[in-house]
Amino acid sequence: GPKVLQIPSHQIIDMGQMVTLNCDPVSNHLYFYWYKQILGQQMEFLVNFYNGKVMEKSKLFKDQFSVERPDGSYFTLKIQPTALEDSAVYFCASSLWGGKDTQYFGPGTRLLVL
Amino acid sequence: GDSVTQTEGQVALSEEDFLTIHCNYSASGYPALFWYVQYPGEGPQFLFRASRDKEKGSSRGFEATYDKGTTSFHLRKASVQESDSAVYYCALGDLRQGGRALIFGTGTTVSVSP
Repeated sequence: GPKVLQIPSHQIIDMGQMVTLNCDPVSNHLYFYWYKQILGQQMEFLVNFYNGKVMEKSKLFKDQFSVERPDGSYFTLKIQPTALEDSAVYFCASSLWGGKDTQYFGPGTRLLVL
Repeated sequence: GDSVTQTEGQVALSEEDFLTIHCNYSASGYPALFWYVQYPGEGPQFLFRASRDKEKGSSRGFEATYDKGTTSFHLRKASVQESDSAVYYCALGDLRQGGRALIFGTGTTVSVSP
């Protein structure tokens, strides 16, 4: 199926530092998403993004979080500053359209905040 | 709010056993239902979806029928293999809304022994 890439696969940083997670979505997709999964728990939605704007965000998407996709490059999730509770696996997804259209997920970035 | 319930947290089977994972949903809009499978260290992989009453989705020997009356989308496979060991997620989308977040169930860990 369609491939979503994520860079890096693992990241360890100290609390208070900034981190940027990068996502290379499927090339013709228009909608982009970030989800968070704490070890052993279910996937939880953070934010979605379309046409250069955040469309919807959850309570988990704190003020320290931001997303962008400058000029069709990577779709990024930035956390500044990081907190211990940000340790999780972050999955990027993309879909061609919204609604019932399928979201395809990347392999995740495993973030550990010390 | 909208929600997805997966009854089974863990299922242990032997090869060639029949698998059933129950998924029920509650939605106020126009639901689309999805099944994803997640292997260790990877992102969720799309299995199939359905968005109309009595529509059947299927892939790799797995199948589920969307039942609007019972608000269910139960996953079934007639004869499992060791390679089917993974976590299975039922997810809920919305037909109306572009780029709507998926709501995931808590996941079912399936372990198949040879």
